[in-house]
Amino acid sequence: DAKTTQPPSMDCAEGRAANLPCNHSTISGNEYVYWYRQIHSQGPQYIIHGLKNNETNEMASLIITEDRKSSTLILPHATLRDTAVYYCIVRVWGQAGTALIFGKGTTLSVSS
Amino acid sequence: GAVVSQHPSWVICKSGTSVKIECRSLDFQATTMFWYRQFPKQSLMLMATSNEGSKATYEQGVEKDKFLINHASLTLSTLTVTSAHPEDSSFYICSARDSGGRGGDTQYFGPGTRLTVL
Repeated sequence: DAKTTQPPSMDCAEGRAANLPCNHSTISGNEYVYWYRQIHSQGPQYIIHGLKNNETNEMASLIITEDRKSSTLILPHATLRDTAVYYCIVRVWGQAGTALIFGKGTTLSVSS
Repeated sequence: GAVVSQHPSWVICKSGTSVKIECRSLDFQATTMFWYRQFPKQSLMLMATSNEGSKATYEQGVEKDKFLINHASLTLSTLTVTSAHPEDSSFYICSARDSGGRGGDTQYFGPGTRLTVL
């Protein structure tokens, strides 16, 4: 699977949008971009995934550049409960035995 | 999203004893489950891939005789830490792959099990 690069930490004010970047310059055509987050002492939580089109769900929006070499996860109105480590992972769709491999992620701190 | 549960959520045991951790997919069937371990201030590390009805596949450096994995049904996988030692103290997290329906090919994670070996 392609490697990803994320900033180690980011800060965000409560109520503002949090934009978390991810570089995946070696992504291949059949690899999807997945985002998960892990709140302290809990299991990772699935947020969103996409291939090439922008995606939105009740939690976040995912913006993927046209060349697919980078993406941005957007939390439109960050709250204190969004403080967590956010992981960007690329992975081929449909490979039954292939697990998600976690990097170091971005620690997002939301403050009031 | 799909729900994965783990039991127990935490366990304290004496050195030399064995501990079993259960992972269940509650509202979907999972032919593949994964076990991860996480040490403090570190990221998740994949330990093994568990396939229903067959032997687990272990990552390099993970002792298969120490970490026994059984995936006897489409909704249950168990991890048994045998002869536990203090260095096995960690946060163990399971994940189940939802290969159909709403999530597509998405992995959902359990809440984790905190193991402390005295």
